[in-house]
Amino acid sequence: DAKTTQPPSMDCAEGRAANLPCNHSTISGNEYVYWYRQIHSQGPQYIIHGLKNNETNEMASLIITEDRKSSTLILPHATLRDTAVYYCIVRGHGSGNTGKLIFGQGTTLQVKP
Amino acid sequence: GAGVSQTPSNKVTEKGKYVELRCDPISGHTALYWYRQSLGQGPEFLIYFQGTGAADDSGLPNDRFFAVRPEGSVSTLKIQRTERGDSAVYLCASSLSRGELFFGEGSRLTVL
Repeated sequence: DAKTTQPPSMDCAEGRAANLPCNHSTISGNEYVYWYRQIHSQGPQYIIHGLKNNETNEMASLIITEDRKSSTLILPHATLRDTAVYYCIVRGHGSGNTGKLIFGQGTTLQVKP
Repeated sequence: GAGVSQTPSNKVTEKGKYVELRCDPISGHTALYWYRQSLGQGPEFLIYFQGTGAADDSGLPNDRFFAVRPEGSVSTLKIQRTERGDSAVYLCASSLSRGELFFGEGSRLTVL
């Protein structure tokens, strides 16, 4: 599975949009971009995933560049409860893949009042 | 609730002892994963089950670690001769085939 690069930490003001970047320059054609987050002392929580089109759900939006080498997770109106470590993960969906997630260090997002 | 359940939530043991950690996946989820997370690090993959069989155990650090899933549902992670370096949070996740993974709250293991 391709590796990802994320900034170690970011701050965001409460109520503002949080934009979390991720580089995945070695992503291959059948690999999806997944985002999970982990709030302190809890297990990771799925947020969103995409292949090449932008995606939106009730939690967030995912913007993937046309060359698929990078993406941005957008939390449109960050709240204090969004303070967490955010993981960007590239995951293969092919028959030869186990579906396991390989976590990096993630980005620690601190939402401030 | 209907989420992934892990027991015990906390386990303190002495160096050299044997430990079992249990995972109850979401009903109907065929895929089950074990991860280990040390302080300040992302979760580290240990083993993946599809049904009853371990389809990928490439993350198990050594032969002191073993996991089973005899009936394709509940799984047990077994650690023999525990060492202080085994102290971590052990996370279990389940999914429908290759769908998104749903994680439990973890079992915190402390080896004294």
